[in-house]
Amino acid sequence: DADVTQTPRNRITKTGKRIMLECSQTKGHDRMYWYRQDPGLGLRLIYYSFDVKDINKGEISDGYSVSRQAQAKFSLSLESAIPNQTALYFCATSGSGNTEAFFGQGTRLTVV
Amino acid sequence: AQSVTQLDSHVSVSEGTPVLLRCNYSSSYSPSLFWYVQHPNKGLQLLLKYTSAATLVKGINGFEAEFKKSETSFHLTKPSAHMSDAAEYFCVVSDIRRDSSYKLIFGSGTRLLVRP
Repeated sequence: DADVTQTPRNRITKTGKRIMLECSQTKGHDRMYWYRQDPGLGLRLIYYSFDVKDINKGEISDGYSVSRQAQAKFSLSLESAIPNQTALYFCATSGSGNTEAFFGQGTRLTVV
Repeated sequence: AQSVTQLDSHVSVSEGTPVLLRCNYSSSYSPSLFWYVQHPNKGLQLLLKYTSAATLVKGINGFEAEFKKSETSFHLTKPSAHMSDAAEYFCVVSDIRRDSSYKLIFGSGTRLLVRP
């Protein structure tokens, strides 16, 4: 089983709809992240959480919200999806300190 | 603030020839640096990391990278490319927060094409 699991893997939704992307991890890490990947732009940080009570905006948080339901679960919501939110979304986790992140397989979201 | 620049958006090499993917960073302290690889329709996998130990870092699949502080570079190399190396590669630098915790800053990626 994957250490970081994202659901769904693919989703097509209509403009204006609310959608939630879910992430769970079995690595026991406190830190979780949501990134967005667009061609030529690398990965940009949307939100991150260093423990259950800690939520921080990343560089592109507008139009998104998150919920850290438990140490192992971190969900990303688009309250009213718009076409420019079409992208590949990655959840990641990391341990404390200056360490690498472990990524899920990604969720490909298309807003039509 | 820390940043990372990948100098080539695309690199094309022939199978069996050396690979060089270039990365420069800016940082006001001694950062940790990483290279990740993303194969088509896959997540990101860590290739190697530098965390202030040896400046020449060896990773998986024959890749290595050298940290050069004077040049603020962390280029990724491999002596001989394989077809399976075709993927997108990301250079990543850690960014220190005010509370001394860290988050990762990604470069824009380099797509490696390997020709038969």
